[in-house]
Formats: sequence, structure tokens, C-alpha cells
Amino acid sequence: NAGVMQNPRHLVRRRGQEARLRCSPMKGHSHVYWYRQLPEEGLKFMVYLQKENIIDESGMPKERFSAEFPKEGPSILRIQQVVRGDSAAYFCASSPRRTGAGNEQFFGPGTRLTVL
Amino acid sequence: QQQVKQSPQSLIVQKGGISIINCAYENTAFDYFPWYQQFPGKGPALLIAIRPDVSEKKEGRFTISFNKSAKQFSLHIMDSQPGDSATYFCAASIEGAQKLVFGQGTRLTINP
Repeated sequence: NAGVMQNPRHLVRRRGQEARLRCSPMKGHSHVYWYRQLPEEGLKFMVYLQKENIIDESGMPKERFSAEFPKEGPSILRIQQVVRGDSAAYFCASSPRRTGAGNEQFFGPGTRLTVL
Repeated sequence: QQQVKQSPQSLIVQKGGISIINCAYENTAFDYFPWYQQFPGKGPALLIAIRPDVSEKKEGRFTISFNKSAKQFSLHIMDSQPGDSATYFCAASIEGAQKLVFGQGTRLTINP
């Protein structure tokens, strides 16, 4: 059973370009979470999605960032018109059901975005 | 009130020693407290987790101690080994809210 897969692992973009980060959850998982990790900092929640629905986007910047989890295919985190401050590691996690006390989120290896 | 404060930022322990990392929180609604281990270039992996209805949980060399009244919890790594060298994150969540709130991380180095 493959774990959470993310691609690309490394992404370099110039200021003003778009970045698309993909996440394939573990088999049987229908809940996806995106987190951002700045250098030397902890992970910050961005968004929680179920298939075709955004459940909680309270951690997502209001502009330039969007996320989707279509019925078919991976979850996508999209960053438009990237700026240097977007440089970070972006992690996706998945869980088999609504995460509550005692339920685990399984993390992928992350996508390291560098904005030149 | 959603913050989780973690200390120390870095820690060096001799092989065979006890590593202790502490976390404190404010939000009394938190009801799930996991610890994650992260190696360079990898994603976080769950190490051990506790709920507030118990004061201690042990899995192998790893123990979580939980003090509900003080709103603090800690990770103890017994007989620390060089392979334990990694960054450790505490986290907290509220059942139904889904998102994990992470501490700032502790970079642990075990000297051989």
C-alpha cells in the first residue's frame, strides 16, 4: 500500500509564474490536508478537503492560493503569481475518515518550492 | 489561543541519555496530542499520540507525559540513539476541527 505521494518533489519558479503541487492520498483515504513549512518553522495548516469539497480553508492566504480535490485524480494546490515569500516546503497529508481524537494524518514527502 | 509552544529549539544529548522535549498549549478544547518525527528531506511521521484522559503513554523508548491542569505535555526518549537525531514536532487538534496545530519544532542531536 503506497503512502501519500506528492509531486514534484522540487519545484523552481520565477516570480510571477504559477506553481501547481499535486498530492495523491493513500489508497482508501478521502480526506486531504495541506500544510506549509517555512525554513526552521513548524507546519502551518492551510486547507482541508474531501472529494470535490473544501471543508476548511481557514489557513489559506486569501489571494493567489487555491486548492481542489476532484472526484478523479490527485488534489492540487495552486499558487498563482508566486513571490519569494512563497518559498517553502508544502506537505500533503491524508486520512481515511474524519480525523478526530486518535486518528492519524499520514504525511507525504513534501514539495519544496523555490521562487527565484 | 491556537498556538502550541515548544521548547527547546535544539537539544544535544549523549548516546544512552534521556531526551526531553516540552510543549504547552492554551486552548483547553484540544483533545488529541501527537508527536511527529521528521528527518531531513522527509515528511513528518507520527511517533506517538495521547488523549487528555490519560497522564502517560509509553511505546518502546518513547513516552508522552501529559499534565492537563498545567496544559503541558512532553516527550521523553529513553536510551537515546544516534538514529533518533531528527526534528520533533508536538501538535494538537480538536476533534471535529481536523487541522493539526504544530509547535515550532526541536532539532535533536544524539552524539555517539
